Amino acid sequence: NAGVMQNPRHLVRRRGQEARLRCSPMKGHSHVYWYRQLPEEGLKFMVYLQKENIIDESGMPKERFSAEFPKEGPSILRIQQVVRGDSAAYFCASSWTAQDYGYTFGSGTRLTVV
Amino acid sequence: KQEVTQIPAALSVPEGENLVLNCSFTDSAIYNLQWFRQDPGKGLTSLLLIQSSQREQTSGRLNASLDKSSGRSTLYIAASQPGDSATYLCAVRPTGSGNTGKLIFGQGTTLQVKP
Repeated sequence: NAGVMQNPRHLVRRRGQEARLRCSPMKGHSHVYWYRQLPEEGLKFMVYLQKENIIDESGMPKERFSAEFPKEGPSILRIQQVVRGDSAAYFCASSWTAQDYGYTFGSGTRLTVV
Repeated sequence: KQEVTQIPAALSVPEGENLVLNCSFTDSAIYNLQWFRQDPGKGLTSLLLIQSSQREQTSGRLNASLDKSSGRSTLYIAASQPGDSATYLCAVRPTGSGNTGKLIFGQGTTLQVKP
């Protein structure tokens, strides 16, 4: 069991480009969560997905950000027209159920916008 | 609205000391509380998970307690080692309608253990 896999580990984008972050949950996990850690700040919830469904996107900015978790393949967090303020570490986590179990986090993708 | 606070923000101790990290939360309606460790530039490693019906969990030199009614948890580290140096994060998983299983994190306690 390889755990939660995120790629790339580091991503550099110029302002205005698109960033695509990938997350493969642990085997058997059908719940995926994305969190963002801005410099000198704590982790903040962004979005919660199950296969083919967005369950809660209350923490995700309304513009430029989108997420998906298709039936096949990894979950994708997409940031369009990136700005310097998007520079952060983006973490993905997966779990068995939405309630009773703990999370397993990936190693994160560190996005730098230049 | 659930808020999680960790005190102190930073802590420096000599090797071998026993220490306690504190976490408080404002709403006792939680499924569980989880302690994580984060090394600089790295991801989060789960240390201990305490379900709302439990009082404590132990793993090696770590012991975490939960007092849900008072909204407090502590992480006790025995015989600290330089390798314990990291940021320790506390997170709760709220219950209730509209809470879809997301975690609410504290700001963390950055621990330095000096040889």
